Amino acid sequence: QKEVEQNSGPLSVPEGAIASLNCTYSDRGSQSFFWYRQYSGKSPELIMFIYSNGDKEDGRFTAQLNKASQYVSLLIRDSQPSDSATYLCASRSTDSWGKFQFGAGTQVVVTP
Amino acid sequence: DGGITQSPKYLFRKEGQNVTLSCEQNLNHDAMYWYRQDPGQGLRLIYYSQIVNDFQKGDIAEGYSVSREKKESFPLTVTSAQKNPTAFYLCASSILGDNQPQHFGDGTRLSIL
Repeated sequence: QKEVEQNSGPLSVPEGAIASLNCTYSDRGSQSFFWYRQYSGKSPELIMFIYSNGDKEDGRFTAQLNKASQYVSLLIRDSQPSDSATYLCASRSTDSWGKFQFGAGTQVVVTP
Repeated sequence: DGGITQSPKYLFRKEGQNVTLSCEQNLNHDAMYWYRQDPGQGLRLIYYSQIVNDFQKGDIAEGYSVSREKKESFPLTVTSAQKNPTAFYLCASSILGDNQPQHFGDGTRLSIL
């Protein structure tokens, strides 16, 4: 079973600080990776995707991909209370092209 | 506006009853998916479909059935064989292609009466 793994948290971050979330994956053939934010009781919303090694920035969010080490990370700069949510890491499966593998999610709590 | 519509938002099931959750998308996406999420847990794949009239079982298909008669629609039936159906059900869709993400509907919350 090919897996995506995340620390469940909660990750407590002071307001204004950087939140760093990590995700590792076992499917060496995976090419594309996605970060979703899920507020309590709501559905996941896409915030970032990355498929090339290195960094990708979008506003306060930076995704980092290292295929050699098989990890993906998400940095949230200047964390706000509205960033308090569960963050899901996902990749496209190579076993079945249409299928996605999701991690269990990391809960982030931003404290004022 | 393009999007994924799930209905109803809340659903209650009686013992021995089958219930059907609706999922419709107007994004012209090829692939559609159903996930189950239990409190404090991640997403578990129930069924997915990459093309009309074809679908594959996910990790927890027992007690569920689906159909894909139209590209826009992928209804999920929770049968009486699913003994613990209380959960948050999420429908998603995507374009079939490298680097294409999934997009989610707002979900249906199913409870047992």
